[in-house]
Amino acid sequence: DAKTTQPNSMESNEEEPVHLPCNHSTISGTDYIHWYRQLPSQGPEYVIHGLTSNVNNRMASLAIAEDRKSSTLILHRATLRDAAVYYCILTGSGGGADGLTFGKGTHLIIQP
Amino acid sequence: GAVVSQHPSRVICKSGTSVKIECRSLDFQATTMFWYRQFPKQSLMLMATSNEGSKATYEQGVEKDKFLINHASLTLSTLTVTSAHPEDSSFYICSAKNPSGVLEQYFGPGTRLTVT
Repeated sequence: DAKTTQPNSMESNEEEPVHLPCNHSTISGTDYIHWYRQLPSQGPEYVIHGLTSNVNNRMASLAIAEDRKSSTLILHRATLRDAAVYYCILTGSGGGADGLTFGKGTHLIIQP
Repeated sequence: GAVVSQHPSRVICKSGTSVKIECRSLDFQATTMFWYRQFPKQSLMLMATSNEGSKATYEQGVEKDKFLINHASLTLSTLTVTSAHPEDSSFYICSAKNPSGVLEQYFGPGTRLTVT
């Protein structure tokens, strides 16, 4: 599986936008970019995924670089409930058909 | 959205005993479920893939005779930790594929196992 690189931690203020970066320079042409998050003592939660175009859903936006070697998860207005570990994961074209390979993720800290 | 539950949420057992953890898809059928393990302050590690009606596929380094997986129905997979030892203490999490597509997985809330 292609590897992803994320900062260990990031800090932001409540009600401000948050941009979480992910580098995946060895991504292949058919790999999807997924983001999951894990709140303390809970199972992970799907956030968003994309292939080439930027994506928006009710939780977040995903901005994908033109060369697809990096992407950014955008939380438009962070709340305290968004404090979690965010994982950027690449999957083949089968997507969730296989088990996921989790890296260390980014620990997002939200200050009130 | 699709909901996955786990039972129990927390269990304490004595060394040498066996513990069974259930993973259920509540509002959809899951032909494939996955089991993960997470040690404190570490990331999730895939243990095995559970396929309904067939044998589970284990990741390298995971003892299949110690971690027994049964996926007897389209809504239930079980993980039994046999002859548990303190080093098996961990957070066990299951997930299931999105039934309407293949791109998302839905995770259970996890089971905290403590072996004394």
